[in-house]
Amino acid sequence: QVHLQESGPGLVKPSETLSLTCTVSGGSIDSNYWTWIRQPPGKGLEWIGYIDFSGSIFYNPSLKSRLTISLDTSRNRLSLRLNSVSAADTAVYFCARYDSTSTYSFDAWGQGTLVTVSS
Amino acid sequence: DIQMTQSPSSLSASVGDRVTITCRASQSINTYLNWYQQKPGRAPKILIYSASSLQNGVPSRFIGSGSGTDFTLTIVSLQFEDFATYYCQQSYSNPRTFGQGTKLESK
Repeated sequence: QVHLQESGPGLVKPSETLSLTCTVSGGSIDSNYWTWIRQPPGKGLEWIGYIDFSGSIFYNPSLKSRLTISLDTSRNRLSLRLNSVSAADTAVYFCARYDSTSTYSFDAWGQGTLVTVSS
Repeated sequence: DIQMTQSPSSLSASVGDRVTITCRASQSINTYLNWYQQKPGRAPKILIYSASSLQNGVPSRFIGSGSGTDFTLTIVSLQFEDFATYYCQQSYSNPRTFGQGTKLESK
């Protein structure tokens, strides 16, 4: 059973960079796509982007100019960097596995981590 | 981007009721449609993938149907633990997009 766990600062100042890590255990990271999804408080889900082990990356165009997603296969870790944040980036950030071979769905999720953008 | 529109946005029902949630895509997505359940403070959980396939371990009272642009999620006999928010999501193209959610509440 794969397990995902997000970690990183819970508070980021406006205009600074949001950095999160997702550690994957109980399964290999060298298959499927590894994804970031966020959810502003009280609102719906927004797909941020995903990456696979070969380095193939897809970003949400609405965030692409500020976004970097990377995958460290040796350490089974997924990372997110979002530059120049504002209050609109305040959200619970989830990492998730996208099954790209069978269900074409987000079939495993981390518990999520709340990031607040505030001075 | 493909827009996903769910209706209703909220729904009140009782245990034992049959409940239907609809999801419409702004263009045809074949059957690349998934349904998730989210409870407060928790991550979403996949219920249905490819419009009508039940994820392992999900009770059979959850039924998905549809293709093209129109999809439905039906809960045939609502249980207490089913009160939650439900989201549809398309996997036809990038960016992956979700519906705005349907909050299912106890009447």
